[in-house]
Amino acid sequence: DIEMTQSPSSVSASVGDRVAITCQASQEIVNFLAWYQQKPGKAPKLLIYGASTLQSGVPSRFSGSGSGTDFTLTISSLQPEDFATYYCQRGNTFPLTFGGGTKVEI
Amino acid sequence: EVQLLESGGGLVQPGGSLRLSCAASGFTFSSYAMTWVRQAPGKGLEWVSAISGSGSNTYYSDSVRGRFTISRDNSKHTLYMEMNDLRAEDTAVYYCVKGCGSECYWGYDWGQGNLVTVSS
Repeated sequence: DIEMTQSPSSVSASVGDRVAITCQASQEIVNFLAWYQQKPGKAPKLLIYGASTLQSGVPSRFSGSGSGTDFTLTISSLQPEDFATYYCQRGNTFPLTFGGGTKVEI
Repeated sequence: EVQLLESGGGLVQPGGSLRLSCAASGFTFSSYAMTWVRQAPGKGLEWVSAISGSGSNTYYSDSVRGRFTISRDNSKHTLYMEMNDLRAEDTAVYYCVKGCGSECYWGYDWGQGNLVTVSS
């Protein structure tokens, strides 16, 4: 199976910072990648799919890039409500594996 | 408004069985693939199983294949997961997830989650 590796596993940042989270697939997945945000005690929320397509209602400070095996989620100016854990997920073949997660902390 | 209401979780002994249900509303259920995703306490997300909108295609992770069965009743707008031979490592919150089309599996909408605890 294709493995998804996220880095860093956690990052400390301040409001207004630019934050980048990376996700690497162990094999080529073209652009079949999604990003999710999860806050404590809540269900995950889809942010981006197709590597770079912003889900409806998601603020434009979130952006996704990459193709092939290397992908990045960027938050251009961190807001208080963005402190959460972020997961990538591949979507090309089953099983649709998630990355291990990146916790964005104050 | 999309609503996904999971039920059927609880405490079960190792080797036991449970059936999870997910009642869907607010969308044309048969037009969307559905997925189960789980999260063990304090851990990350784990993709478990998925089913196409028609129910004709099903997919499983290696960790549950042969023990879990996903199904759906489009007339009742309900998704199911039959779980047999449960193990301690199956302890998790199980999320019901709506996809983006009949064969499109991005997690557009998520239920609130349902806790399954496998313990003696």
